[in-house]
Amino acid sequence: AQSVAQPEDQVNVAEGNPLTVKCTYSVSGNPYLFWYVQYPNRGLQFLLKYITGDNLVKGSYGFEAEFNKSQTSFHLKKPSALVSDSALYFCAVRDLVDRDDKIIFGKGTRLHILP
Amino acid sequence: DGGITQSPKYLFRKEGQNVTLSCEQNLNHDAMYWYRQDPGQGLRLIYYSQIVNDFQKGDIAEGYSVSREKKESFPLTVTSAQKNPTAFYLCASTLDRAHEQFFGPGTRLTVL
Repeated sequence: AQSVAQPEDQVNVAEGNPLTVKCTYSVSGNPYLFWYVQYPNRGLQFLLKYITGDNLVKGSYGFEAEFNKSQTSFHLKKPSALVSDSALYFCAVRDLVDRDDKIIFGKGTRLHILP
Repeated sequence: DGGITQSPKYLFRKEGQNVTLSCEQNLNHDAMYWYRQDPGQGLRLIYYSQIVNDFQKGDIAEGYSVSREKKESFPLTVTSAQKNPTAFYLCASTLDRAHEQFFGPGTRLTVL
């Protein structure tokens, strides 16, 4: 069965510093991987995805993520954090061999950018 | 504008009542999903539908029911059998497996 782990409940970063939000996954086949962001009392917003091709994926708001098949990871990164990046971040995975077409979400990582 | 809407934004329910949460999309997406969000637990899948007139149970379907009579609409009923329904409910849709999900703004349900 597929699963996603976000090992950190919370990450604190000073404004202007690089940030990393970690995500590891487990699937039977090849994965489709996604990152979403959620602001308080709102729905999730899509940031970026890995489907195939280049392992480094660039997305919205200056975020990027690197697909690492050997480490089964898909960490979210940004070179220079902004206070407005403070939010709840979710990693999600879809297993291509899963006929049920489910998407599994991690429990989320709360990112605090300190001014 | 294309998008996905949920109503109401806030909903209060007395114990023993059934309530229905609305989800509508005009994105022409085939697949639609309902999630429940509780603090510290991420998103848990309640029901999903890959096509009109068909739907499948997710991981926490007990106490919930859905219908998919139209492509645009996927309402969720929270029944009195759901023992702890207070939560934030999110509806989503997607074009296909290679595409991201679009989420509605959510409905916060509180049981009084």
